[in-house]
Amino acid sequence: QVQLQESGPGLVKPSETLSLTCTVSGGSISNYYWSWIRQPPGKGLEWIGYIYYSGSTNYNPSLKSRVIISVDTSKNQFSLKLRSVTAADTAVYYCARGNGVHTYWGPGTLVTVSS
Amino acid sequence: QSVLTQPPSASGTPGQRVTISCSGSSSDIGSSTVNWYQQLPGTAPKLLISSNYQRPSGVPDRFSGSKSGTSASLAISGLQSEDEADYYCAAWDDALNGPVFGGGTKVTVL
Repeated sequence: QVQLQESGPGLVKPSETLSLTCTVSGGSISNYYWSWIRQPPGKGLEWIGYIYYSGSTNYNPSLKSRVIISVDTSKNQFSLKLRSVTAADTAVYYCARGNGVHTYWGPGTLVTVSS
Repeated sequence: QSVLTQPPSASGTPGQRVTISCSGSSSDIGSSTVNWYQQLPGTAPKLLISSNYQRPSGVPDRFSGSKSGTSASLAISGLQSEDEADYYCAAWDDALNGPVFGGGTKVTVL
């Protein structure tokens, strides 16, 4: 059974960079798309971006200028960097397998942007 | 503001049938398939319906999906207490080259 687990700091200061990693277990990261999706407290889901195992990416235009998603196939991991964060970036961040249909999800990690 | 439009809430008594609508446009629902996710309180979303009506292994057949034009719907038959959750529709957006989500519908079992 494929499992995903997000990891990274739970608190980030305004204007700094949010960095998260998703570790995939129970299956290979190869031959799939992998996504980051976030959910502000009490609100709905927002797609951030996705990456193919080969490294090609696509980002939500609303975040594109601040986002980088990368993949490390040797570690079966992919990562998210979101720079210049503000309080509006406070959310639960999920990693998931797939780009259109998200079949497996991590449990999510709450990232709070605050000084 | 979400791209796909869902009612914020729906409710029913145990055993009843509840339907949730999802409205989009020609660039999303109108040109792709619709997926539905169930999010139980405090947990990650879980794929409930893919490709308009396909149920992944383990999803009870009480859940069914359909699509017509630029709208889709999720039906829960024989509502059970464990169905209390938030439900999200999603579809591929050609202009975005990525997925868009509905704002979510909170289902309450009375």
